[in-house]
Amino acid sequence: SQQGEEDPQALSIQEGENATMNCSYKTSINNLQWYRQNSGRGLVHLILIRSNEREKHSGRLRVTLDTSKKSSSLLITASRAADTASYFCATDAQGGGADGLTFGKGTHLIIQP
Amino acid sequence: SQTIHQWPATLVQPVGSPLSLECTVEGTSNPNLYWYRQAAGRGLQLLFYSVGIGQISSEVPQNLSASRPQDRQFILSSKKLLLSDSGFYLCAWYRDRALAGGYTFGSGTRLTVV
Repeated sequence: SQQGEEDPQALSIQEGENATMNCSYKTSINNLQWYRQNSGRGLVHLILIRSNEREKHSGRLRVTLDTSKKSSSLLITASRAADTASYFCATDAQGGGADGLTFGKGTHLIIQP
Repeated sequence: SQTIHQWPATLVQPVGSPLSLECTVEGTSNPNLYWYRQAAGRGLQLLFYSVGIGQISSEVPQNLSASRPQDRQFILSSKKLLLSDSGFYLCAWYRDRALAGGYTFGSGTRLTVV
């Protein structure tokens, strides 16, 4: 079942601008992860933030996590055309076994040159 | 380094025909293996996962089955495909949830049932 819900479903911005995507989830988590999917390809892991962390950076990516609101955001700064892709959040549920991550439906990001 | 291979990349099959998709992992041992399906414009739906040889857990009762005959091999099968089996199938592996690397996905198989 879907737990993460990304918002917005689609986002179109100009190259160089910042892109912000949000994710909400329902249950307690061990960690939350963000993935990128280029059209017709597999998903690529971007960043993982643990439940006891509030913010994490990786290059042009900044992820925040608010466990009290059960939400996360992914910020891509200084966007490039190559950032055009779908972005998914995925939650690793607390107490879960090996049954893996639960993915949201994704945000489709288009960077206009 | 760890790599994951998934094939074929695309497949067009008639309704009622059998299916076999294969996924293999290199560079690691005893991985947790997963099959996901992604409908057009949608998120990922977990189909099966495996924590070891011969150990398969199903998340969604359906027309599909999975097998893990070897430590690093995961196979998705069907005896008779339905139109509703069309979609993008992704294999993934995850060694340890405590690691920061997340899942590693294969490149996917686009299945069209006609």
